Amino acid sequence: DADVTQTPRNRITKTGKRIMLECSQTKGHDRMYWYRQDPGLGLRLIYYSFDVKDINKGEISDGYSVSRQAQAKFSLSLESAIPNQTALYFCATSDRNTGFRETQYFGPGTRLLVL
Amino acid sequence: QQQVKQSPQSLIVQKGGISIINCAYENTAFDYFPWYQQFPGKGPALLIAIRPDVSEKKEGRFTISFNKSAKQFSLHIMDSQPGDSATYFCAASIGDSNYQLIWGAGTKLIIKP
Repeated sequence: DADVTQTPRNRITKTGKRIMLECSQTKGHDRMYWYRQDPGLGLRLIYYSFDVKDINKGEISDGYSVSRQAQAKFSLSLESAIPNQTALYFCATSDRNTGFRETQYFGPGTRLLVL
Repeated sequence: QQQVKQSPQSLIVQKGGISIINCAYENTAFDYFPWYQQFPGKGPALLIAIRPDVSEKKEGRFTISFNKSAKQFSLHIMDSQPGDSATYFCAASIGDSNYQLIWGAGTKLIIKP
């Protein structure tokens, strides 16, 4: 987990506020992901990025945006937070050069509460 | 068709017992089936994975059993220990899209001493 860091670890915000979650990695991986985890729903992919100029929407991208500032940094923004965005957010990385079966490496998560 | 259905939602097993978690899928194009383990306050971490060309894969006390005809796969934890208490996720992906994992809902496993 130390190779993938997320800030903040916990955040409470109010409806309508803009919030940014940040992810940094020292693994040297080219691929990065943002997921949200909700009880009983598992993990759902929000956005993924293959490199700085290649960003793709995942299953649940509405209400979210991302920025890949560098190979090692991938940020998730909630432009106008709403209560149903309350969840545990994870950043993950993977290395395409490991071959066909990529392992995803996860950060420790950010717990977000939108009031 | 893209779903992976995981059961049970929660499981309590006595120390030394066998823990069994099941997953079922519909999309026959899935060809990679990993299991991830998540401890409280941590992100998920890859535990073990299997391809559909084998029926079983074992790593220590952890075994994946795969039934291609039934479109089911399961995780068995032998001699379960309190340190195995965690949430377990099954997942599946297709070929070159294996970076796009389809996740099960998770099973919270508690091993009682």
